[in-house]
Amino acid sequence: EAGVAQSPRYKIIEKRQSVAFWCNPISGHATLYWYQQILGQGPKLLIQFQNNGVVDDSQLPKDRFSAERLKGVDSTLKIQPAKLEDSAVYLCASSFRLARNEQFFGPGTRLTVL
Amino acid sequence: AQKITQTQPGMFVQEKEAVTLDCTYDTSDPSYGLFWYKQPSSGEMIFLIYQGSYDQQNATEGRYSLNFQKARKSANLVISASQLGDSAMYFCAMRDETGNQFYFGTGTSLTVIP
Repeated sequence: EAGVAQSPRYKIIEKRQSVAFWCNPISGHATLYWYQQILGQGPKLLIQFQNNGVVDDSQLPKDRFSAERLKGVDSTLKIQPAKLEDSAVYLCASSFRLARNEQFFGPGTRLTVL
Repeated sequence: AQKITQTQPGMFVQEKEAVTLDCTYDTSDPSYGLFWYKQPSSGEMIFLIYQGSYDQQNATEGRYSLNFQKARKSANLVISASQLGDSAMYFCAMRDETGNQFYFGTGTSLTVIP
């Protein structure tokens, strides 16, 4: 079974530029999550999708971050414009929407904002 | 407010010995889930073990066991017979009652010494 795929693995941009990350979850997983992990910290949940609908985006800085999952499968997370403090690893995870909600994570995208 | 607290930034253990990683949590939900994840230097988060708040027995998965003390709000991970490949960051996480929010601790870096 293929795992969660993410691309790109690394991205370096200048502040005020835009960037987009892509995630393809495990086949059949209805729930998709985007996390931000700043160096030395635990992951912070940004947004959760159930199929193509947003379940929770209370931690997403909506003035600059946006995410979509139009067909209920793959998803993109965009930052526009980027700030220095956005430098982090962006992790995508997916799960069956069951009581346990065990999540399977992708390898992450490491973003550096200069 | 801090939901998950991991007070051990770094731990060392001799190969083949057991080690306990501490985790305390804060919630007033009657129903919640607790998770432990391993994050090797490659960056991918790997699910290790799950404990539901209503589970009567402590969870076990191979060499991993979760010492769940509900009254103390602690969910410590015990790794038995440590192996060199266990060297990694370990994160404790909690799912809230709705299943819409997940909170991660700051992690514990475990180093297994040959």
